[in-house]
Amino acid sequence: GEDVEQSLFLSVREGDSSVINCTYTDSSSTYLYWYKQEPGAGLQLLTYIFSNMDMKQDQRLTVLLNKKDKHLSLRIADTQTGDSAIYFCAERIYNQGGKLIFGQGTELSVKP
Amino acid sequence: EAGVAQSPRYKIIEKRQSVAFWCNPISGHATLYWYQQILGQGPKLLIQFQNNGVVDDSQLPKDRFSAERLKGVDSTLKIQPAKLEDSAVYLCASSLLTYRVRSYEQYFGPGTRLTVT
Repeated sequence: GEDVEQSLFLSVREGDSSVINCTYTDSSSTYLYWYKQEPGAGLQLLTYIFSNMDMKQDQRLTVLLNKKDKHLSLRIADTQTGDSAIYFCAERIYNQGGKLIFGQGTELSVKP
Repeated sequence: EAGVAQSPRYKIIEKRQSVAFWCNPISGHATLYWYQQILGQGPKLLIQFQNNGVVDDSQLPKDRFSAERLKGVDSTLKIQPAKLEDSAVYLCASSLLTYRVRSYEQYFGPGTRLTVT
């Protein structure tokens, strides 16, 4: 079945790196996404990775994909207080159109 | 470029009443999605349109929820009658035609927070 799991909370100090983890169950995932949600706002697409890639870097963001273990991570370098938000991992399943399966979200708290 | 617009932002109704939400996608985006996000959970897809046709409505509770996308642009999601468990944020998202953009990047609106009392 389709299931995406994330840890619920992460707390870091400003300037440190944050690593948010996600596991998924469907081996036919084609694209995997990271979204950010601030209070009262919709979801903002941060980055995505195609399933045949191992890593993608985009400025302060690094996405690592271990397809064998079905594990995805998002690393935020030099974390700032403005990065405090809920981060969602999502997968798109092959042959199901644009449907995304979301995890329950990881709340990142950045302390000054 | 204007983002996905939704209205209203907040709505409070009593159970058994009806409610409607409106969404205007990003210009040129042929695919439109409605998601339900219950507090503490990730969004769950309710229905997906491509132009004005339904692609996937397998998780839409059709006994009380309905959605339409006339003319392939704006969309309306309706709940009638509402139940307490319908309290959630209803998110609209849009993307370019799915067969043209393999990454299926979806852009989300701010959502409508529904409280059913």
